[in-house]
Amino acid sequence: KQEVTQIPAALSVPEGENLVLNCSFTDSAIYNLQWFRQDPGKGLTSLLLIQSSQREQTSGRLNASLDKSSGRSTLYIAASQPGDSATYLCAVLSGANSKLTFGKGITLSVRP
Amino acid sequence: DTGVSQDPRHKITKRGQNVTFRCDPISEHNRLYWYRQTLGQGPEFLTYFQNEAQLEKSRLLSDRFSAERPKGSFSTLEIQRTEQGDSAMYLCASSLGIYQETQYFGPGTRLLVL
Repeated sequence: KQEVTQIPAALSVPEGENLVLNCSFTDSAIYNLQWFRQDPGKGLTSLLLIQSSQREQTSGRLNASLDKSSGRSTLYIAASQPGDSATYLCAVLSGANSKLTFGKGITLSVRP
Repeated sequence: DTGVSQDPRHKITKRGQNVTFRCDPISEHNRLYWYRQTLGQGPEFLTYFQNEAQLEKSRLLSDRFSAERPKGSFSTLEIQRTEQGDSAMYLCASSLGIYQETQYFGPGTRLLVL
């Protein structure tokens, strides 16, 4: 059974800091890994998707890396801003029916 | 807007009542997924449709839950005899139906059972 872990559960940083969010998964037989953002009480916004054959993806100030063999991914956020405050969820797509398995998320607070 | 839509966005009901949620996927998407998210947790898979066929159901989906996708278009999720433990955000997602592609999520339906 696939399990996804995100540690720590919460993180508070001052504005402008570069930060790394970690994600680990137990079964390396994945199709892809996706990072989502979720604002309080809202749905999910896809940030980056990394295919199993890829090592990283970049979008603006965000960079996500994938090491499938070790079951790890990181989301790098450069020059953090208060507007980045949200919960960041990591999810892996695996299994015969391609369902997503999510971590519990990391709640990020960027202080002005 | 051509994204995934869900209705209603919020639902408050009393314990024991039945509720039904609707999801309209992106029009050309063959796959449709339901997930449930409780406070402080990541979304958990409930069930999945390929066109009109329901291909997998999680053990989380008790006998009180039923999902349909008539004609392979919109989907409904019904909860009978709701319990307080059913309070959660119910998320719908759709995808084209090809491996390795993105699932697009709707805004969710937040259910509160009193």
